[in-house]
Amino acid sequence: DTGVSQDPRHKITKRGQNVTFRCDPISEHNRLYWYRQTLGQGPEFLTYFQNEAQLEKSRLLSDRFSAERPKGSFSTLEIQRTEQGDSAMYLCASSLGSGSSETQYFGPGTRLLVL
Amino acid sequence: GENVEQHPSTLSVQEGDSAVIKCTYSDSASNYFPWYKQELGKGPQLIIDIRSNVGEKKDQRIAVTLNKTAKHFSLHITETQPEDSAVYFCAAKCETPGGYNKLIFGAGTRLAVHP
Repeated sequence: DTGVSQDPRHKITKRGQNVTFRCDPISEHNRLYWYRQTLGQGPEFLTYFQNEAQLEKSRLLSDRFSAERPKGSFSTLEIQRTEQGDSAMYLCASSLGSGSSETQYFGPGTRLLVL
Repeated sequence: GENVEQHPSTLSVQEGDSAVIKCTYSDSASNYFPWYKQELGKGPQLIIDIRSNVGEKKDQRIAVTLNKTAKHFSLHITETQPEDSAVYFCAAKCETPGGYNKLIFGAGTRLAVHP
């Protein structure tokens, strides 16, 4: 299966700790997105990469959040000084950007619980 | 701001019946509308999508209709089966402040198909 993969699938941490998540997009997909999904809600856009460039960040992405995609392939999302409100599912999606034909494929997500 | 409203939030049907989920969107510039199915503990999986240059699209038991004038689109599942039970999300492609694309999701519909 060559779909989007994310690691870890689950993460439990204590408030104040730093966590880092990884996303491996579908091979050759140049666009990569991070979304956050809380219980009972749809995913909310966090940030967007085109190749290695981070081109868009949502207002939801506080200063404690940072994302990278150093070689235009995998991406990492780091949350510093975690808070209980950060508990959510963090989803990664990738697409092959081509005008309006842009289907986003999602990974299985990383479920974060901050105690 | 951009918004997608989805109804109903829960839907219970008997196996073999049809299920209809409705969404409205606010951004008149939206031109791409995917539907995702999310099973427990998994990421959203694309099941069907429609672009604004067509009014209806069908794929076996699943169909989607789009009314651009009313900014309304719907998912229709016929001959429902227990394995159709999941949370379904509609989404609309919107433009970010930087001119890039993101998906705005509805809050989801939990569909239960009873044998």
